[in-house]
Amino acid sequence: SQQGEEDPQALSIQEGENATMNCSYKTSINNLQWYRQNSGRGLVHLILIRSNEREKHSGRLRVTLDTSKKSSSLLITASRAADTASYFCATDARGGGYQKVTFGTGTKLQVIP
Amino acid sequence: NAGVMQNPRHLVRRRGQEARLRCSPMKGHSHVYWYRQLPEEGLKFMVYLQKENIIDESGMPKERFSAEFPKEGPSILRIQQVVRGDSAAYFCASSSAGSFPGANVLTFGAGSRLTVL
Repeated sequence: SQQGEEDPQALSIQEGENATMNCSYKTSINNLQWYRQNSGRGLVHLILIRSNEREKHSGRLRVTLDTSKKSSSLLITASRAADTASYFCATDARGGGYQKVTFGTGTKLQVIP
Repeated sequence: NAGVMQNPRHLVRRRGQEARLRCSPMKGHSHVYWYRQLPEEGLKFMVYLQKENIIDESGMPKERFSAEFPKEGPSILRIQQVVRGDSAAYFCASSSAGSFPGANVLTFGAGSRLTVL
């Protein structure tokens, strides 16, 4: 099964609104990453938050991490139509002798102009 | 500075044929990962390779699938005797161990979409 489970599975908002996506995971991690995938394309790394951090910002992105609840959230502020994509959380944990990256199921975001 | 290059982008095969997917990692990256994605689903890990070594193949089906990353040339994911259930997008990613200390950030290719008729 997937390490990360995103919630919601799909989200539709108006341009200018904020979008919040949540991710829950099962095992201990070193880091948690968020990636974005435009339709028909590969994934692009957005942001990484380490296990000893609680919050991180990058432009219009804000990520939080609660290791006690094994959850993370990604907030996109002032959304734009170009933010329409699928967003995946990925846990980065030591396993099998290396840093193994395991992806969640993704949230499909649609931003309506 | 080319990113991760995958080819072909689209591949159509009939049941029973072989599919070969190629991946050239980003310059300076020595770690290659293959993931599979079914429509509207997440990415499922298949295999992790370094040059001439398979490090983790726990996500690879035991039969018909194989992967290699030779000393020279691209990494290749090979699927023998394809079946309709193999239809999916196959993504390659690469990383460099030193770029993010204590973390493994992946750079993805655009994917190879396999359709089995």
